[in-house]
Amino acid sequence: NAGVTQTPKFQVLKTGQSMTLQCAQDMNHNSMYWYRQDPGMGLRLIYYSASEGTTDKGEVPNGYNVSRLNKREFSLRLESAAPSQTSVYFCASSEQEISGANVLTFGAGSRLTVL
Amino acid sequence: LAKTTQPISMDSYEGQEVNITCSHNNIATNDYITWYQQFPSQGPRFIIQGYKTKVTNEVASLFIPADRKSSTLSLPRVSLSDTAVYYCLVGDIRDYKLSFGAGTTVTVRA
Repeated sequence: NAGVTQTPKFQVLKTGQSMTLQCAQDMNHNSMYWYRQDPGMGLRLIYYSASEGTTDKGEVPNGYNVSRLNKREFSLRLESAAPSQTSVYFCASSEQEISGANVLTFGAGSRLTVL
Repeated sequence: LAKTTQPISMDSYEGQEVNITCSHNNIATNDYITWYQQFPSQGPRFIIQGYKTKVTNEVASLFIPADRKSSTLSLPRVSLSDTAVYYCLVGDIRDYKLSFGAGTTVTVRA
């Protein structure tokens, strides 16, 4: 049981290049999320997918696209990378609890540098 | 989503109890309070969640007063390995846009 797996762990891009961050979870969770974390700051939500077949914008969606490929996989794409997108990206998933609030399980992160 | 306020940083020594208070004055009736811990170069990890009164697990305790406008995460007898950033979140089952603020950086010294 690996939890949430992100690939790649590290990536260096040149401005204008494109790339896709992959995320997969093996916990049969319904919901998945992409966050970014900049130095000294908290996590900011980019996009989320409440359930398979749906995606919605978070706090900072500009410059990104997502695909919920199936229940397990949720990818984040940068079509034309910019230096401002240099960050650590975290994928997370959660199960719809009967009560309480969503509890997120995070991946280890993907460190992206855009030159 | 209810806005939360927590201290930016706290220092402690090994063996002491650390209490981090989070303010959430506009918490809604269906909201729960959830705390996460994040070590450097890792994703946040769920610690504890509660609705009212006191919740305890093997890692921490969460105290929530009757008015629920604040909550306190208590870490008993901390060690160097408890040095991390701690985040307080408030929301209910329908909240997917969960916001992680800057959190509280707890530094434990020998």
